[in-house]
Amino acid sequence: DQQVKQNSPSLSVQEGRISILNCDYTNSMFDYFLWYKKYPAEGPTFLISISSIKDKNEDGRFTVFLNKSAKHLSLHIVPSQPGDSAVYFCAASGGNKLVFGAGTILRVKS
Amino acid sequence: DAGVIQSPRHEVTEMGQEVTLRCKPISGHNSLFWYRQTMMRGLELLIYFNNNVPIDDSGMPEDRFSAKMPNASFSTLKIQPSEPRDSAVYFCASSTSPRFEAFFGQGTRLTVV
Repeated sequence: DQQVKQNSPSLSVQEGRISILNCDYTNSMFDYFLWYKKYPAEGPTFLISISSIKDKNEDGRFTVFLNKSAKHLSLHIVPSQPGDSAVYFCAASGGNKLVFGAGTILRVKS
Repeated sequence: DAGVIQSPRHEVTEMGQEVTLRCKPISGHNSLFWYRQTMMRGLELLIYFNNNVPIDDSGMPEDRFSAKMPNASFSTLKIQPSEPRDSAVYFCASSTSPRFEAFFGQGTRLTVV
């Protein structure tokens, strides 16, 4: 029972263009959402988050959008850079859990 | 602070052997998580501690897995006996609250042959 789903295993984007990473969740108890970035042989690192009382949060090139009615969130990276190539995990928090999706591999081509 | 410290970084063991993974959380963090990363399932939450007490261990796959947190600065994840399907990267993470961002260690890559 996957409560947080990232349906795209991978995404390839040209440098300078927009990267859009998507995430769906099923549990209405989740009220805080996070994105993590992971490079090979390293642990995931926190990137950006959003509370359920908001629908958008922006931090530099990174913006997270939340659509509560659709139980959907997305991460936009503009402009994409080769250094953004990594695995991106969506996570949702509620109650006593921090639940992660399976991850999306982003490749930014120069 | 050095961040979350996990040891060993790599572990290769034979099927049937006991394996112990270790974690030192960030000082002052009272929530500690153990995750397992696999290609198929991504990051699976195995167990979560709050103030050294196990709160949710529903993700622990079998009785072969056990976790302890004897004090605020140390936790272990033990697999006994280990099986080849346990091969994965195991991450420990800590946070000030289960609701907010967790900080991860570099992981332990376990290979059971």
